[in-house]
Amino acid sequence: GQQLNQSPQSMFIQEGEDVSMNCTSSSIFNTWLWYKQDPGEGPVLLIALYKAGELTSNGRLTAQFGITRKDSFLNISASIPSDVGIYFCAANSGTYKYIFGTGTRLKVLA
Amino acid sequence: EAGVAQSPRYKIIEKRQSVAFWCNPISGHATLYWYQQILGQGPKLLIQFQNNGVVDDSQLPKDRFSAERLKGVDSTLKIQPAKLEDSAVYLCASRSPTDTQYFGPGTRLTVL
Repeated sequence: GQQLNQSPQSMFIQEGEDVSMNCTSSSIFNTWLWYKQDPGEGPVLLIALYKAGELTSNGRLTAQFGITRKDSFLNISASIPSDVGIYFCAANSGTYKYIFGTGTRLKVLA
Repeated sequence: EAGVAQSPRYKIIEKRQSVAFWCNPISGHATLYWYQQILGQGPKLLIQFQNNGVVDDSQLPKDRFSAERLKGVDSTLKIQPAKLEDSAVYLCASRSPTDTQYFGPGTRLTVL
């Protein structure tokens, strides 16, 4: 079945550093979504991507929809302590059903 | 625009008891999802509705879980009877016409 491989699983970074995470799959998708989830809360949408090659920014966050439609990455520039959380990618192949990555746990050291 | 609403936010029950969760999606969103999220894992789809019809419930444990969306707007998810392994966060989400999925804050269920 379809699955998303998200990496890294976790990372510790210093405040001010840039962060990069990605999701890959052997399947083709029409939509990629990136979420951030804080403890005890539901996932919050960060960026939505709808076209292959699309590059979209949201403040310090930038995400790209891979040209092959099989991958996506999320970059966070100049990380701050409130960036701590779990980041999930999700993708949809047009069936209205979303597949989720396993999450990247980000910890920022002040 | 108002987000996806869920209640209650927290629930503690004993095993073999029943529990129900409520969700009100974003206005105009025809597709509604219920997910189960075990600590440390990504959301797992339980059931997907399109208006008041079920699109996918292949991963719903139908011997104990049930869900309905009678009028195609809000939805309830019920567990009867609950087991210890049902302890999780239950997330409701709805999908916009532009293929973007929005989550509610979730209900944290603890089964003792």
